[in-house]
Amino acid sequence: GEDVEQSLFLSVREGDSSVINCTYTDSSSTYLYWYKQEPGAGLQLLTYIFSNMDMKQDQRLTVLLNKKDKHLSLRIADTQTGDSAIYFCAAGGYQKVTFGTGTKLQVIP
Amino acid sequence: GAVVSQHPSWVICKSGTSVKIECRSLDFQATTMFWYRQFPKQSLMLMATSNEGSKATYEQGVEKDKFLINHASLTLSTLTVTSAHPEDSSFYICSAKTTNTGELFFGEGSRLTVL
Repeated sequence: GEDVEQSLFLSVREGDSSVINCTYTDSSSTYLYWYKQEPGAGLQLLTYIFSNMDMKQDQRLTVLLNKKDKHLSLRIADTQTGDSAIYFCAAGGYQKVTFGTGTKLQVIP
Repeated sequence: GAVVSQHPSWVICKSGTSVKIECRSLDFQATTMFWYRQFPKQSLMLMATSNEGSKATYEQGVEKDKFLINHASLTLSTLTVTSAHPEDSSFYICSAKTTNTGELFFGEGSRLTVL
């Protein structure tokens, strides 16, 4: 089955860019998602990319997909303290979606 | 974005009783819905994939007879935890995939505590 991996922790200074990385194993994954989970809250869909795309940009967020290496990244420009949260990467097709363990982003003022 | 409603948001029950959790897509149709379980400070664990009008597909290790899933319409899926025990206490989250775009939206989760 699909296996999705992320680093557990990332610390950046306010104003810097954050890059959260994710790898997946199933090359047939059609959808790649990024979710944000703030403490005590549910999951919030940040963005998603189809497997036939290399990049997607949405305001401060940039998603890069290297399908050959099965590597997905989320770049947050001008990181703010409000961006502190756990970020989950997810990969899957139409019938199943597998989540990574989440990366805890700590933004230092 | 689209809204997925889960009910109840929290429930406390006695050991041995059954609890039903509803997941509704409020403003879109979802042929496929997913049920996850989240333990404290851990990632989501997919329990089952629910397809409208057919039997759910369960992940390995998830007891079908204990976690009953019904997806009776394009906007509603239910998870029933039967004969609940304290070890079933957890945070259960559903998600619904839009039929037309494939975006995946989550409910706010249901916290189950079994005494």
